[in-house]
Amino acid sequence: QVQLQQSGAELAKPGSSVKISCKASGYTFTSYYISWIKQTTGQGLEYIGYINTGSGGTNYNEKFKGKATLTVDKSSSTAFMQLSSLTPDDSAVYYCARRPYFDYWGQGVMVTVSS
Amino acid sequence: EIVLTQSPTTMAASPGEKVTITCRASSSVSYMHWFQQKSGTSPKPWIYDTSKLASGVPDRFSGSGSGTSYSLTISSMEAEDAATYYCLQRSSYPFTFGSGTKLEIK
Repeated sequence: QVQLQQSGAELAKPGSSVKISCKASGYTFTSYYISWIKQTTGQGLEYIGYINTGSGGTNYNEKFKGKATLTVDKSSSTAFMQLSSLTPDDSAVYYCARRPYFDYWGQGVMVTVSS
Repeated sequence: EIVLTQSPTTMAASPGEKVTITCRASSSVSYMHWFQQKSGTSPKPWIYDTSKLASGVPDRFSGSGSGTSYSLTISSMEAEDAATYYCLQRSSYPFTFGSGTKLEIK
């Protein structure tokens, strides 16, 4: 069955970076793009961008350019998102989801930014 | 960026009651998609392409709309339907979500 398994919760200090992963299984990884979504209590769900899992090409929501960097490792069927220059506003749950229909989601990664 | 405005923000319905949640877009979109999220879990696809039910979704749910106005309807509320529902537009980049409607059972 299709699964997107994300890495564990992160506690990070302001100014640092974190890299979270999304490992796909149960389907041909390169046949579907992976999108990333941020969820906070205050802002709800925000679309970060997507990565073409075949070519590695990316597209970002302008709001997250410079904040998020999406990469992929085809050999392990894993997509990654690095969040840099972290601030408390980056504290959120981050999901990966399979495009185009967002039909499968990872379980989410809680990122907490605190000194 | 297309802004999606959901209404109501929160509501409570009795078992058997008809429920309608609305999603209004700041510009016309081709389709609307809906997700259900329960506390502590990931959003689940619920309705796609405005009116198609995702796999496993009970047929008491339906979706409709066009242009800038879309809705999700439950014909007869059941306890298991208590959740937060989000709309999503994929017609224009960046994709955007509504702010959610929290539906509770009375």
